[in-house]
Order: sequence, then structure tokens, then C-alpha cells
Amino acid sequence: DGGITQSPKYLFRKEGQNVTLSCEQNLNHDAMYWYRQDPGQGLRLIYYSQIVNDFQKGDIAEGYSVSREKKESFPLTVTSAQKNPTAFYLCASSNGPGTGAYEQYFGPGTRLTVT
Amino acid sequence: DQQVKQNSPSLSVQEGRISILNCDYTNSMFDYFLWYKKYPAEGPTFLISISSIKDKNEDGRFTVFLNKSAKHLSLHIVPSQPGDSAVYFCAASVAQGGSEKLVFGKGTKLTVNP
Repeated sequence: DGGITQSPKYLFRKEGQNVTLSCEQNLNHDAMYWYRQDPGQGLRLIYYSQIVNDFQKGDIAEGYSVSREKKESFPLTVTSAQKNPTAFYLCASSNGPGTGAYEQYFGPGTRLTVT
Repeated sequence: DQQVKQNSPSLSVQEGRISILNCDYTNSMFDYFLWYKKYPAEGPTFLISISSIKDKNEDGRFTVFLNKSAKHLSLHIVPSQPGDSAVYFCAASVAQGGSEKLVFGKGTKLTVNP
């Protein structure tokens, strides 16, 4: 069964701690994305990666970092520098540019609460 | 500056009637438009899409209309069902630096009343 998994579903951290959110896909997609959703807001792009070992900043990358060492995995680290880390985080993947397929497929999300 | 706008935060319709969700955009470089459906605490699910070279795409109860001159698209759901109650996001795709990015609206919460 192909899909995107994100773990954990809920995550709690103390302020000042870094935390890493997991995202794995077995869809054989080249491109992967991280979004953040806040109440009453749309999805805002944090980072994206079109191929392994390459990634670009999205619209709100400050306070976040990523890595793309494997095609299947795109973990997101929320650092202590992120001023408002409490949010719902969504990972997505797609076939990537030039394939004619624009749809991104989303994981179930991780709700991060920082106190 | 919001490039994709969904000006109605919420919409309520009766079961069996038509639901019309609207979306406006400002960037003429958008080449593909998509609608996603999202339930609380879940990831969005792709619903339907349309290329910028077309003006209509239909899939079952769902039809998307694109008016390029007005920079406006709409999603029609006929007939509406209670299970359609969710938040609907409009998204637009733009090529940027060799990558394809999606820009999302803020969403419209649809409630279908039995």
C-alpha cells in the first residue's frame, strides 16, 4: 500500500528544544515538501526537495532545517530559533517537475505543541 | 501578498443542492490549478485539477471551472452530500527555478446539512 507516513501524530516539546518530524514515502516520488498550517490559514511552504541531496527554502524557512539523504525520507527539524513552532505540520510528495503531474500527495500530519 | 484567495471562509448548503466554492488568483504565470479537501487533523486529499489551457474539468459530482480573463476558478459539487463537509483548499501551481510549487488559499469550510 503506497503512501506517506508521518510520525508521531502528536508531539509535545519544551521551548528551547529542537525537535525532528519524520516523513517517509513509498510512492517513488522524486519531490518532497514540508508545509505548516495554522488555524484559519492555508498551507505555507517551509522547505522542498526535488531530488536526493538537494533542497530549497520555501516561504517560511527561518527556524527550520531539513535533509534529504534518501529518496524515501525528508525529515524536518524545528529548531529553537523558530519563534512560533506550535502548528500542524504536513509533508507531501509528488512526481516532480517535468512529469506533467502537478498533484502533491499529503501525509496525515503531525501536530506539534511547544510550551 | 496573497496570490490565491478564497474570500469565503465558510459555506453552508442543504443536502442535495449545489455547492459552489470560489477562488481568485493574481499571478498570470500559474499553469495548473487544484482543489484539495481536508478533514480536521488529517492531511489534504487531492480532489480535482484543471490545466490553465482548459476552462472546465468534470469528475463525477465535482466540476471545476476556470475563467482565465477574470483570474477566477470555482468548484461545483452536485449534489452535495453530508460527507462533503470539510475544508476545501484551492491551490495553484507555478514553475519557479526548475521546480514546481503550489500556492494555497486559506480554505473554505463547507458544511452540508442533512
